[in-house]
Amino acid sequence: GAVVSQHPSRVICKSGTSVKIECRSLDFQATTMFWYRQFPKQSLMLMATSNEGSKATYEQGVEKDKFLINHASLTLSTLTVTSAHPEDSSFYICSERGLRTDTQYFGPGTRLTVL
Amino acid sequence: GQNIDQPTEMTATEGAIVQINCTYQTSGFNGLFWYQQHAGEAPTFLSYNVLDGLEEKGRFSSFLSRSKGYSYLLLKELQMKDSASYLCAVSKAAGNKLTFGGGTRVLVKP
Repeated sequence: GAVVSQHPSRVICKSGTSVKIECRSLDFQATTMFWYRQFPKQSLMLMATSNEGSKATYEQGVEKDKFLINHASLTLSTLTVTSAHPEDSSFYICSERGLRTDTQYFGPGTRLTVL
Repeated sequence: GQNIDQPTEMTATEGAIVQINCTYQTSGFNGLFWYQQHAGEAPTFLSYNVLDGLEEKGRFSSFLSRSKGYSYLLLKELQMKDSASYLCAVSKAAGNKLTFGGGTRVLVKP
């Protein structure tokens, strides 16, 4: 069964608004979660590594003030896209690393469309 | 930096075998993953290779050669539902971040 859930699965918003995406660990207590973005017909690009109780580590070129990540508990990480613009429209996917394994398990993804 | 290359598209016939190659160049290597991704869905885990050799799992097998920076995913007895993108991803020694190749879109024809 699924080990990671995401909410919402789909969101449409107006330009300039902020959107929060939740990623929940269902089986593990994940101290580390990862956030990816995928544009149509492209591969996954890692945006940031979310660490429970500390600041996220962002990849080069990802604006930390625009993509706010909070990982306040062992089972929940949130990604907030602030002041969203049409170019932020994408498929956002989170993942977690399993216990005692390097395997990453992905959530079902959130499709964001900014009008 | 890292460079991960895999073919963009492959077409095969139902019941046949297809081999998807992945080559990588990276500073620091922990292991290599293969994921399957159907259109509009998140990736699902297929295999993970750390040591050299072949790992077989049902109709899917994955091979790794660390010295050559090379892996392949072998899909046997292809079924229509195997039409999907197959993503090769490298895990570095530190932090276990995954870096993905561009993905190979496999189309299975009747």
